[in-house]
Amino acid sequence: GAGVSQSPSNKVTEKGKDVELRCDPISGHTALYWYRQSLGQGLEFLIYFQGNSAPDKSGLPSDRFSAERTGGSVSTLTIQRTQQEDSAVYLCASSLGQETYNEQFFGPGTRLTVL
Amino acid sequence: AQSVAQPEDQVNVAEGNPLTVKCTYSVSGNPYLFWYVQYPNRGLQFLLKYITGDNLVKGSYGFEAEFNKSQTSFHLKKPSALVSDSALYFCAVRDAGTASKLTFGTGTRLQVTL
Repeated sequence: GAGVSQSPSNKVTEKGKDVELRCDPISGHTALYWYRQSLGQGLEFLIYFQGNSAPDKSGLPSDRFSAERTGGSVSTLTIQRTQQEDSAVYLCASSLGQETYNEQFFGPGTRLTVL
Repeated sequence: AQSVAQPEDQVNVAEGNPLTVKCTYSVSGNPYLFWYVQYPNRGLQFLLKYITGDNLVKGSYGFEAEFNKSQTSFHLKKPSALVSDSALYFCAVRDAGTASKLTFGTGTRLQVTL
């Protein structure tokens, strides 16, 4: 079946503009994660959704970052008033159920460049 | 808190030789451990995981990893490296009982040469 998809694959924006990044998880996966990968860095956890539970937002770096997940499926990560330090690859992942032993399946990422 | 250390930024191996990519971890409870590989301009691909049971875990593409509780390590290994194995490898840990998120290491770049 189809894997995790993300759009757009690349986004170039000007400092101060808002951006929206989209993630379509694998069908039937109830858990969805957003990570950020900066150049030369590991993956930084941003936010986690599990079913209808309140999301774990503990990784969001500032209040300019927000995410929602509609209908338990598609998720949108929004960055308001973008800054140059927001430039990174944003990765989405999904997994089957809430059990912590389930591996996560990653999308190809959205490369965000803030000029 | 949970953490992962990958002490080597890069590992260089000749094709046909065995390879090891090191990983150590820290969690307060029992660990769930994962290895992922990232090829250029691609997302992460799952390789293998340790949940419980046999300490030697076998995964995709001939890779295996050994869980060592006393040394808190989960090193990735392959008996015979291929040039096509050249990629960025990430180790990740999750506390079995409590954590919703996966904590990743900073990655190790594997370079396999002819």
